[in-house]
Amino acid sequence: AQRVTQPEKLLSVFKGAPVELKCNYSYSGSPELFWYVQYSRQRLQLLLRHISRESIKGFTADLNKGETSFHLKKPFAQEEDSAMYYCALRALGGYNKLIFGAGTRLAVHP
Amino acid sequence: EAGVTQFPSHSVIEKGQTVTLRCDPISGHDNLYWYRRVMGKEIKFLLHFVKESKQDESGMPNNRFLAERTGGTYSTLKVQPAELEDSGVYFCASSQTVNTEAFFGQGTRLTVV
Repeated sequence: AQRVTQPEKLLSVFKGAPVELKCNYSYSGSPELFWYVQYSRQRLQLLLRHISRESIKGFTADLNKGETSFHLKKPFAQEEDSAMYYCALRALGGYNKLIFGAGTRLAVHP
Repeated sequence: EAGVTQFPSHSVIEKGQTVTLRCDPISGHDNLYWYRRVMGKEIKFLLHFVKESKQDESGMPNNRFLAERTGGTYSTLKVQPAELEDSGVYFCASSQTVNTEAFFGQGTRLTVV
């Protein structure tokens, strides 16, 4: 079955500390992986996708097919990074039908 | 450019009543999706429209939910009759093609009491 697991409901760090938001997935084929972010009182928006292999707002994520993981990392957290982060999977040919994890709330303290 | 718009932003209804949620996608986006997040759980896919046609409605929980997209523009999601377990946040998203980025609305928070 297709599934996305985000083991942490809440991740609390201090400003300047490294951040790693964990995401593991279960999928039999070759999926596309995404990270979405929802800042307070804003809509859900795409942060990055694995096929782009880019860094957005200092965040990176590498798809590890061996470990079926797509962890989101940032070396130095900022207070404005505080938000809800969702890892999502889309099956190839899945017509944008996204499978989301339960989300991790990142709280960055001054 | 206006983003995806959802109405209302919040709805509180009694069990057994009917509620209709509306989604206005980004102009020109043929693909429209409904998702919902039940308290404490993951965001789950409900259905996908391509223009006015239902491409995939595999996520619709039961026949109390009816989605329409007449004319291929805005979409409505009706819940009739509403049950307590229907409470949650209902998200709408739209995309230009099936492979391009899906843009989400602010969501409608539905509370059934």
